[in-house]
Amino acid sequence: GQQLNQSPQSMFIQEGEDVSMNCTSSSIFNTWLWYKQDPGEGPVLLIALYKAGELTSNGRLTAQFGITRKDSFLNISASIPSDVGIYFCAGNQFYFGTGTSLTVIP
Amino acid sequence: DSGVTQTPKHLITATGQRVTLRCSPRSGDLSVYWYQQSLDQGLQFLIQYYNGEERAKGNILERFSAQQFPDLHSELNLSSLELGDSALYFCASSVRGTSGNHYNEQFFGPGTRLTVL
Repeated sequence: GQQLNQSPQSMFIQEGEDVSMNCTSSSIFNTWLWYKQDPGEGPVLLIALYKAGELTSNGRLTAQFGITRKDSFLNISASIPSDVGIYFCAGNQFYFGTGTSLTVIP
Repeated sequence: DSGVTQTPKHLITATGQRVTLRCSPRSGDLSVYWYQQSLDQGLQFLIQYYNGEERAKGNILERFSAQQFPDLHSELNLSSLELGDSALYFCASSVRGTSGNHYNEQFFGPGTRLTVL
């Protein structure tokens, strides 16, 4: 399958800090998706991106579809404890990154 | 609660055995997807069904098979189990399948944790 490289692998941040993570691929994708997975649960869709260059926000979350169509970025502003979890990118719906584990220290 | 149900929640079995995982999609959803999540592989897409027919195939082993029934529930059958098959298996559903490049939001179930001893 197509390989998506997600970084960083894990992050430990203070509450209130901003967070950035990204996903890169060797292949072009037509759709980029970002999910969050809480322990013991399935992933939940956060943001879907459909066009190169698209910038979309969902509350404190902002994601961008890279111009090259080979990457995407997710930013979380003013992190709070409930942001803790694993964040996954997915290209063309089926191909998932390896995840970024986020820990927010109160 | 996504509305997608999966049973059983946990399954412990031995190598060489065969198991069946069950998924009921959200009411009204026609498409079902199966994923495998293991520690070293992340989420791997296995297979998609739409209204009873196979729509897309991912990294699904020949030892694994799936089907979607007329009532739209789906089963994933895993046979000749190996230690490496131990993983979380997720089912997701969406209203439709894919339409060109347009994404139909997938809603994930809580998963079945399979342990092969």
